[in-house]
Amino acid sequence: DAGVTQSPTHLIKTRGQQVTLRCSPKSGHDTVSWYQQALGQGPQFIFQYYEEEERQRGNFPDRFSGHQFPNYSSELNVNALLLGDSALYLCASREGVPGELFFGEGSRLTVL
Amino acid sequence: QKEVEQDPGPLSVPEGAIVSLNCTYSNSAFQYFMWYRQYSRKGPELLMYTYSSGNKEDGRFTAQVDKSSKYISLFIRDSQPSDSATYLCATWDTGNQFYFGTGTSLTVIP
Repeated sequence: DAGVTQSPTHLIKTRGQQVTLRCSPKSGHDTVSWYQQALGQGPQFIFQYYEEEERQRGNFPDRFSGHQFPNYSSELNVNALLLGDSALYLCASREGVPGELFFGEGSRLTVL
Repeated sequence: QKEVEQDPGPLSVPEGAIVSLNCTYSNSAFQYFMWYRQYSRKGPELLMYTYSSGNKEDGRFTAQVDKSSKYISLFIRDSQPSDSATYLCATWDTGNQFYFGTGTSLTVIP
């Protein structure tokens, strides 16, 4: 049983560009959330998707947007990249409430 | 005030030592408490999960929650080099959001 898979694993962008990160949840999981983890910090909640709708959002600007597809996979989009957006972006899925969060290995974004 | 506060360390101990990792949280309404372990360049993985107050033991690991002082602890007995990782405490509110501490970096020296 595949766990949470994320792509790409690493990417480098320049300021002002846009990026799309992808996530496939663990089999059977219908809730997907995204986290930003800066170096030396804990994961910070960006938003959560359930039934293809954004259900909860953390303290992140509108430059961060997302989508969930009917097969429960999800995308995170970040527009107008800033240097401060450099971080590990983690996708997590769960089933039930609160449920155990299963994390992917992350997409490491570097903004130059 | 952050929802969860955690001493980032780093913490370095000899093999076989007892390790104590601690967090505090701000909201007395939090009921679910978790410890995650994160190896370098990997995503976090769940270690322990407790509900409300009390202790929970799993092998060499014991999680403890003291709701009166809003204190969360993880104890590791007979620490091993393979325990070297970053340990993240977390809590969940009924608004459906998880809050993580900054993580404590642990190194167990053979």
